[in-house]
This record gives sequence, C-alpha cells and structure tokens, in this order.
Amino acid sequence: DAKTTQPNSMESNEEEPVHLPCNHSTISGTDYIHWYRQLPSQGPEYVIHGLTSNVNNRMASLAIAEDRKSSTLILHRATLRDAAVYYCILRDAGNAGNMLTFGGGTRLMVKP
Amino acid sequence: EAGVVQSPRYKIIEKKQPVAFWCNPISGHNTLYWYLQNLGQGPELLIRYENEEAVDDSQLPKDRFSAERLKGVDSTLKIQPAELGDSAVYLCASLWTGRAGELFFGEGSRLTVL
Repeated sequence: DAKTTQPNSMESNEEEPVHLPCNHSTISGTDYIHWYRQLPSQGPEYVIHGLTSNVNNRMASLAIAEDRKSSTLILHRATLRDAAVYYCILRDAGNAGNMLTFGGGTRLMVKP
Repeated sequence: EAGVVQSPRYKIIEKKQPVAFWCNPISGHNTLYWYLQNLGQGPELLIRYENEEAVDDSQLPKDRFSAERLKGVDSTLKIQPAELGDSAVYLCASLWTGRAGELFFGEGSRLTVL
C-alpha cells in the first residue's frame, strides 16, 4: 500500500487559515488522495478528495502538487469546531479501491 | 437519510466474557468495514465485506474474533473471550462502491474490558 506521512500535531488560531500537509511520495497514477477528519468521540467523516487538480468544497480546499507526491488540506478560516484529527489517505481507483488504510493523522488544535 | 448505525455505544465487560457489536450500514451500500481504533491512533481495518462476502479479513484475530454479514446488509462483530487488550473503539463504515465514493462511519462502539 502507498503510505502517507503527516505531522503528528499542528496548532492554529481561530479564524486564521490552516494548511495541513501530507507527503505521499510512493503514490501511483491511479491513487486518489482522500482526507477524512475525526472529531472527539465520533467516527471519521469525509472531507474532500482529488486526483490531480486542486479541489474545493464547502468544508475545505485540497491543493495537490504537480508531481502528486504531496498535498495540502486548506481550511480557510479555522473555527473551534475544526479541532480534530485529520487523516490523509490514498485510495486506489482500481480493483483495490475499497481498501482504505488510515495512518496516525494530524491532530489540529485551534486556539481562540 | 439515516447514517451508519452502531450499537451498543458503550460496553463494559469482565475479561473472558463474550461481547457482540452490531452495525446497520446505509441502505444500498454494498461494502462494509469493521475498524478497531485504539486511543490516540488511527483506525485499523479488521474486516471488509463486499455484499455478504468477507474479502479482506487478514487483520482479524480469528482465534477470538468473528464477524458475519447475513444477506449483505447488517453485520455483527463478536469477541469471545474478550481480553484486556481488546479495550478500544470498534468502528463500522459503509461505502457504495464507486470510483471515488466516500466512506460513511458510525459513531463507534467503545469497549472496556476489566
């Protein structure tokens, strides 16, 4: 399985942008980049995914490097409710596409 | 639309006792997962079902853990007998198999083994 590397933790101030990095140097051409987050005492929830182009949705933006070996999840204005563990995951679009392997994620702390 | 439903939310048992967790996935989702999550760590896959077939159970400790998904809908995960190290959160997730579909997780079942 292609693996991802994320910082263990990050801090942000409320209402400031947050850039959460993820390295995936062994990514294959058919791997999608997925992000999930897990709020305290809840199951993980989907945030965003992309393949090659940058993506935006109501929750966040995903910036993907041109060589696809890294990506950044961008929260444009962090709120206290964004404090969570954020997981960057590679998902094969082929036959193994239903295999999702979680790493340790990045614990985001948001200060008021 | 109802999400993934798990029960019980919390369970406390003595070691060597049996325990079972139940999961009702989102209607129409043919792929179902059971993950184990220890405190401070990411979820680890225990077993994945495609409809009623277990297609990946390599991480399931088969000496004490068992799972079933009758009729390809609800699923049950059982531990017998439970050990102290089984204390964790057991997460169920479901997916409508598609090129880039998202996983939907339940809230999890927190097990404490005394």
